[in-house]
Parts: sequence; structure tokens; C-alpha cells
Amino acid sequence: AQSVTQLGSHVSVSEGALVLLRCNYSSSVPPYLFWYVQYPNQGLQLLLKYTSAATLVKGINGFEAEFKKSETSFHLTKPSAHMSDAAEYFCAVSERGNTPLVFGKGTRLSVIA
Amino acid sequence: NAGVTQTPKFQVLKTGQSMTLQCAQDMNHNSMYWYRQDPGMGLRLIYYSASEGTTDKGEVPNGYNVSRLNKREFSLRLESAAPSQTSVYFCATILGGAGSDTQYFGPGTRLTVL
Repeated sequence: AQSVTQLGSHVSVSEGALVLLRCNYSSSVPPYLFWYVQYPNQGLQLLLKYTSAATLVKGINGFEAEFKKSETSFHLTKPSAHMSDAAEYFCAVSERGNTPLVFGKGTRLSVIA
Repeated sequence: NAGVTQTPKFQVLKTGQSMTLQCAQDMNHNSMYWYRQDPGMGLRLIYYSASEGTTDKGEVPNGYNVSRLNKREFSLRLESAAPSQTSVYFCATILGGAGSDTQYFGPGTRLTVL
């Protein structure tokens, strides 16, 4: 069975500071990994995905994530936080690209001016 | 293209009432999913349909039924709503088959059961 653990239900950073949202996964097969973002009262938007190609994945809005098999991690980073990055972020895993997603519990990111 | 649409956007029910949540997609995708989102729980899979004519249970199917009406539409029915079903419900779709890996989500239905 697959699972995802997101460390920290709430992360607060200052505008311009590094954003680091942590995600660890468990999977018995090579995983597909995803980060989604949810703005208040909206649906989920794909930020980036890892599908067994390059281990450093670049996404939208300046975010990137690195797949580390030895650490079973897929942490999300952004060098400089912007006020518009305030949202909830979900890490998710699937066995193959077209199978149901298993989500982490989410991390709410606050950006302080 | 509208992508993935869900109706209604909001709904308030009394305990014991029934309702159907509708999901439609114009992306010609084969697979469709229903998730529920609860605070601090992330999203959990209720039911999914890998292709037209098939449905399977997910992690939290109790109290729900689904119908894959055709390739475009996948509905979720609550026969007798309970307060524990208060949640935000998301429909998602994916092309399916080799090489497809991205699920696209609808805007959600916010359901309150009193």
C-alpha cells in the first residue's frame, strides 16, 4: 500500500524567504509523485510531477522538487516566497500515472509581509 | 473547453435526505474519480471508474454509490445523508492508458449535512 507523509500541517515564512515543504512517501513500486496547490475555495492545480525521468523537477510559479529515492522524499522548494504563494499544498503518490492518487494531509503555507 | 465541471457548487441537506453530485468532463478522458476533502485529512478516494462501464471502491466508499452514465459523466449519490458526510467533494479525470499521468480536478462541491 502506498502512503504519503507531509511534515508540518502549517508552515509560515517571510516574503522573500526560502519555501521548503516536506513530503515523504512509501511505495512498493517505483512511484509517480505529484505536488498540487489549492487556493482558498478553489480546486486543485498541478504544480509539478515526477514520472521517473529527471529527478529534479521544475514546476509552475518558480517551484521545484527533487526526487530522492534513498530518502523516499519529494520535498517542494521555492527560493523566494511571494504573498501569492499562500495556499494549501498537497503531495500525492500513485503506482502508475493512471491509477488513483494517495494524498498527504496537506501543508498550509502562510507568507508574512 | 470547460474541462471538469461539478454541480452543484454548494448544498445543504438534512440528515436522511438524498442527493446526487454531478461531474462532467469534455476532455475525452477515460478514467474518473471522486474524492472527499476534510480538514487535516487531505483528499481520500471514494470511488473511481477506470473506464466507461466500470466502477470500483476506493478508501472511503461507505454511504455512497456511483454511476458512470457515459464517458463524460460520473455521478456520486448519497442515499441517506449523515453529518459525517459533510465535506468538500472533488471529481477528477485522467486520460487513462500508458503515458497518461495527470489528474485534472473540478472546482468542488461543498456539502453540509445538518
